[in-house]
Amino acid sequence: EVQLVESGGGLIQPGGSLRLSCAASGFSVSYNYMSWVRQAPGKGLEWVSVINSGGGTYYADSVKGRFAISRDNSKNTVYLQMDSLRAGDTAVYYCARDTFDHSGFYGMDIWGQGTTVTVSS
Amino acid sequence: DIQMTQSPSSLSASVGDRVTITCRASQGIRNDLGWYQQKPGKAPKRLIYAAFSLQSGVPLRFSGSGSGTEFTLTISSLQPEDFATYYCLQHNSFPRTFGQGTKVEIK
Repeated sequence: EVQLVESGGGLIQPGGSLRLSCAASGFSVSYNYMSWVRQAPGKGLEWVSVINSGGGTYYADSVKGRFAISRDNSKNTVYLQMDSLRAGDTAVYYCARDTFDHSGFYGMDIWGQGTTVTVSS
Repeated sequence: DIQMTQSPSSLSASVGDRVTITCRASQGIRNDLGWYQQKPGKAPKRLIYAAFSLQSGVPLRFSGSGSGTEFTLTISSLQPEDFATYYCLQHNSFPRTFGQGTKVEIK
């Protein structure tokens, strides 16, 4: 079965760090683009970051310089290292597979169930 | 960055109604647009990709149209399980950007 399972969320004080994990099954993260998307309480969806099949990365301006996406191919897992956390980073964080082929991109087809990050003192 | 403007932000409709939601891109994105449904406490679910391609398993009452900068999601006959929030997403370039969402409520 193709699925994504996030973990690592929790309550963290402002300025702290947290690492989220996204374990994939049924496909290989190394051959895909993998994105993180977040949703603040009561708000809409916000794309955060992507790691592509070549290992290249891209970030939303709101997290650039504070967050880092990476992957471990041997564990088939994608990570989001979040540093210098702020109250505004409080959200449910989803990982998702961002599909593509030789013709272009097709958006995110598989999503995890999400993990909640709360930044508060 | 490409901005996505979605309308309306909410609507009230009855079972059996035809519902239309619109997304406008700040620049041309060919047909690189998807539509997602989200229910409370759940992850988004893809309904449509590449503007009009129906995700496997999604009911035929959902359809997408448009190209360039104007896109539409249509639900031909609203069913009780369709009451949810809907988002558009441009998958033309990074950063990916979502519309603000449309909450479909029961009239």
